[in-house]
Amino acid sequence: EVQLVESGGGLVQPGGSLRLSCAASGFTFSTYWMSWVRQAPGKGLEWVAHIKEDGSEKFYVDSVKGRFTISRDNAKNSLYLQMNSLTAEDTAVYYCTKVGRSSVDYWGQGSLVTVSS
Amino acid sequence: EIVLTQSPATLSLSPGERATLSCRASQSISSYLAWYQQKPGQAPRLLIYEASNRAPGIPARFSGSGSGTDFTLTISSLEPEDFAVYYCQQRNIWPPLWAFGQGTKVEVK
Repeated sequence: EVQLVESGGGLVQPGGSLRLSCAASGFTFSTYWMSWVRQAPGKGLEWVAHIKEDGSEKFYVDSVKGRFTISRDNAKNSLYLQMNSLTAEDTAVYYCTKVGRSSVDYWGQGSLVTVSS
Repeated sequence: EIVLTQSPATLSLSPGERATLSCRASQSISSYLAWYQQKPGQAPRLLIYEASNRAPGIPARFSGSGSGTDFTLTISSLEPEDFAVYYCQQRNIWPPLWAFGQGTKVEVK
């Protein structure tokens, strides 16, 4: 059974940093692209970033470029999102997701990030 | 940047009725279009990938069609558990950037 378990969310002040982690199990992690998708309270879904199987290519939505960094550790079956220079607009539930056939075939339960003073 | 526009924003229907949801892309995206269902307090669930393929475990009443810029999700006969928000999602060919539509809420009439 595929499982994606996020951790690391919480309350952070504007301008601060936070690192999200995602522990993956139930599939061969090193052979799949992975993504982060977020959802602001009461709003729709927004793709944030994804990373190739071996970590050699990364892509970001324009609104987080230069501030967020996606990474992975295939030896630990883990995905990460380093978030810097956070603003209130980054407040959202962040989902760790597994990519399959150009879509998300599995979602984590989500981790809430709240940016507020 | 490809923009996805979903319509209508809200669809008010009764159980047993047919639901037709639209997703229009600002430029051709071939068949790289997926549909998701999201219920309150839950993560989304993949329904359809590559425009017309049902994901494993998805009932046959859900179907997807379209290519290029116009796509449709059809629920042939609404069950009580189908009332939810539906999102479409596209993948740009290269670079493989993604975008989601703003969602269509299917509510009980």
